Amino acid sequence: GAVVSQHPSRVICKSGTSVKIECRSLDFQATTMFWYRQFPKQSLMLMATSNEGSKATYEQGVEKDKFLINHASLTLSTLTVTSAHPEDSSFYICSALLGANYGYTFGSGTRLTVV
Amino acid sequence: ELKVEQNPLFLSMQEGKNYTIYCNYSTTSDRLYWYRQDPGKSLESLFVLLSNGAVKQEGRLMASLDTKARLSTLHITAAVHDLSATYFCAVAWEYGNKLVFGAGTILRVKS
Repeated sequence: GAVVSQHPSRVICKSGTSVKIECRSLDFQATTMFWYRQFPKQSLMLMATSNEGSKATYEQGVEKDKFLINHASLTLSTLTVTSAHPEDSSFYICSALLGANYGYTFGSGTRLTVV
Repeated sequence: ELKVEQNPLFLSMQEGKNYTIYCNYSTTSDRLYWYRQDPGKSLESLFVLLSNGAVKQEGRLMASLDTKARLSTLHITAAVHDLSATYFCAVAWEYGNKLVFGAGTILRVKS
C-alpha cells in the first residue's frame, strides 16, 4: 500500500537549535501533506497543511516562523522546528490523503525532545 | 468549526466482553475514519466510512456511520488482550480535506 516514510524517528536537540523532519511519499505523489503534533496522552492536533509548490496553510495559533514547512516536490515535505525550546518537545506526524475513498496514510512519527 | 467528541475516553474491559465506542461530530461530513495507535507508534488505519449507513467489519471490530445523527460507533466483540490500544475517530472537514480527531479512547483489555 501507499507509504509515507518519515525521518528521523527520534531526535534529541539542544535548546535554540533547529531540527528538520522529512516525510517522503514512496509510491505515490502527495499533492497535499498534513502535519500534526501530539502531546503525551492527547489527540493529534493539525499544525499545517502543505501543498506542493505553494505556501503552507497554518492552523490558528501555530507560529509559521517557528515551524517552517516546505513542500518542494510531489514526494517530499519537510517540517523544520526553528530555535527549538523544551515546550516544542512532542510527537510530530505527517499524513497524506490517498483519495477520498482510501483515506489518509500516516508517517511513523518523530519523537522530538529538546533539552 | 467541526468538533468531534469521542466517548468513553478510557475503557477497561475483560477479555471476552463486548463494548462500543462512540464518536459524535458537530457539522455535516460524510467521511469518517477510525485509527488505532499503540504506545509510541503512529496511527494505523482501521476503517474508512464514506456514506450514511456504512458498516465495515474486520475481525473483532465493527464500525458504522450514521451521517444524519452525525454518529459513528466502533463495536468490539469478544475483546482480546491484543486489542489494547488507543482508538481515534477522525472526521474529514469539508474545506481542504483536513481531519479533525476525537480525543481518543484508551482501551485496556484485561485477561
